[in-house]
Amino acid sequence: GENVEQHPSTLSVQEGDSAVIKCTYSDSASNYFPWYKQELGKRPQLIIDIRSNVGEKKDQRIAVTLNKTAKHFSLHITETQPEDSAVYFCAAADTGNQFYFGTGTSLTVIP
Amino acid sequence: DGGITQSPKYLFRKEGQNVTLSCEQNLNHDAMYWYRQDPGQGLRLIYYSQIVNDFQKGDIAEGYSVSREKKESFPLTVTSAQKNPTAFYLCASRVSSATNEKLFFGSGTQLSVL
Repeated sequence: GENVEQHPSTLSVQEGDSAVIKCTYSDSASNYFPWYKQELGKRPQLIIDIRSNVGEKKDQRIAVTLNKTAKHFSLHITETQPEDSAVYFCAAADTGNQFYFGTGTSLTVIP
Repeated sequence: DGGITQSPKYLFRKEGQNVTLSCEQNLNHDAMYWYRQDPGQGLRLIYYSQIVNDFQKGDIAEGYSVSREKKESFPLTVTSAQKNPTAFYLCASRVSSATNEKLFFGSGTQLSVL
């Protein structure tokens, strides 16, 4: 089955700096890659996603890049703000409807 | 609030007891999922269902059971066979479409053992 690895497990940045979280996947059949933000005790919220036929997608301060050949994808947050502090999860999914999640990155934005 | 409702928010289980976690959605989604979340770990799939009256085991199905009698409902029973049930349980749903894969989560149930 699919194996998704996520790094780093914790990340601290100064407010205004950029944050990058990286994930790798193993199954070339995976074709959909969402990112979720989860605040403490709350539900994961979809923040951005990308399909395998696209190399990059941007939504305001958030962007995701995908390298199908290397089987890795990354989340980029620019101009970080304290409210960006949360746990971020990447995932990979195929047409079989199964989602495989990374182990999460705890991001802390220091004011 | 996303259209997926989980209840209760907190649940306590005594040893040897079965407990059932509720998940209801009004999004008309075909597929529903149950995930277990432990501290420092990702979300692990327990069971999923793509249509009514059908469901498949995920990676950690042992000690759990589900039913899918209605499209809107996908309850999870944590049986006494699950020896380490303390975790945060998340239900999710999505439209079963090759072009719309977005997965939406409920607000979760924290299960603890007394």
